[in-house]
Amino acid sequence: GAGVSQSPRYKVAKRGQDVALRCDPISGHVSLFWYQQALGQGPEFLTYFQNEAQLDKSGLPSDRFFAERPEGSVSTLKIQRTQQEDSAVYLCASSPDRVGTGELFFGEGSRLTVL
Amino acid sequence: GNSVTQMEGPVTLSEEAFLTINCTYTATGYPSLFWYVQYPGEGLQLLLKATKADDKGSNKGFEATYRKETTSFHLEKGSVQVSDSAVYFCALRMPSGSRLTFGEGTQLTVNP
Repeated sequence: GAGVSQSPRYKVAKRGQDVALRCDPISGHVSLFWYQQALGQGPEFLTYFQNEAQLDKSGLPSDRFFAERPEGSVSTLKIQRTQQEDSAVYLCASSPDRVGTGELFFGEGSRLTVL
Repeated sequence: GNSVTQMEGPVTLSEEAFLTINCTYTATGYPSLFWYVQYPGEGLQLLLKATKADDKGSNKGFEATYRKETTSFHLEKGSVQVSDSAVYFCALRMPSGSRLTFGEGTQLTVNP
């Protein structure tokens, strides 16, 4: 498809498990963002990539959260030793603009539920 | 820090009613302002934007004017349709950065 694709759409994890969430941005988009959206709240910034470089990871809530984009295309957000407070929708967005200031195109999100 | 505050929701209107969703912001400097919309089962989409004071963003019959004096960016539409039912998010981005700061969202339901 032509849009941002995220997988899995739904993930249920037991507390303490590791999870990996995948994002396929729009082909050729330079900038890639991850956001976390808790129930009933607006998205909160997690991290930003320009190509393969992670330029801003100041929004990652703890060192259990790790993101990578090794070839400047697909990105993976990994959460280690999941906790109940990690339950949220994780949104990926991409932009053709190099500095990430152009329009963002969002995926539908990956809903994580930690039991 | 920078923040965005939206009017409390949800909002329920009848078709053809006038819509206003309030948005105010706090920022050190002059951000760009955005409205994003999330239709059921879909990802967030940019609805409109304004990059400087007194700019008016418009799209699909929606409008919002960047008011520096009141630090506001209220969303308006003169006649809503059932298909406008969605969650609306106000957001800002600082000139020096790339991240968006979102409000908490406002659920709009339009009844026939």
